[in-house]
Amino acid sequence: QSALTQPASVSGSPGQSITISCTGTSSDVGGYNYVSWYQQHPGKAPKLMIYDVSNRPSGVSNRFSGSKSGNTASLTISGLQAEDEADYYCSSYTSSNTLVVFGGGTKLTVL
Amino acid sequence: QLQLQESGPGLVKPSETLSLTCTVSGGSISSSGYYWGWIRQPPGKGLEWIGSIYSSGNTYYNPSFKSRVTITVDTSKNQFSLKLSSVTAADTTVYYCARHPDSGSLDYWGRGTLVTVSS
Repeated sequence: QSALTQPASVSGSPGQSITISCTGTSSDVGGYNYVSWYQQHPGKAPKLMIYDVSNRPSGVSNRFSGSKSGNTASLTISGLQAEDEADYYCSSYTSSNTLVVFGGGTKLTVL
Repeated sequence: QLQLQESGPGLVKPSETLSLTCTVSGGSISSSGYYWGWIRQPPGKGLEWIGSIYSSGNTYYNPSFKSRVTITVDTSKNQFSLKLSSVTAADTTVYYCARHPDSGSLDYWGRGTLVTVSS
């Protein structure tokens, strides 16, 4: 069982917006502004899409945005495109013995 | 452009020790403020952080692995390594190496290497 909870799957049509949630505790998501989001296509390494809750690395589309409220972080993808179909993982810094904890992943299907 | 590349045996026998090395190119493993970590992913499943090391040698391990895992760094070779002892079939996964600051955001990843535990 993963430390952070994500929905197993979400879907949306091209052009629509979707949001993926990531729920943790006050020891991780709620306690620090250190939530990251990763996109992973089949057979590929994960790619950092959002760091420190809402910051985008250079080169990542501004269609991707992140936010946090309490113990839940969210990734929003606007203007869905076929290429966005992938698995998405959240992670957080944690004050527990584990430095980094991941969510179980969410499969995004673009209909 | 920073690049990371995992290397090591793709097949390990049960009860033996899995050993992998990550070679960093395009930058120094001694760069201030960055950790170098190992993450694994069973086929078709989610990501699991194994542990990380700072260039000074300070290590952080996932308690789930702590009794079996050792991560070391060789700054002269710009490499860091993973050893996982007493492996079982459950350790058959893709292993990734990656870089992260102390906030934990993994910004550069290797391509990953599949390690199979089988006799």
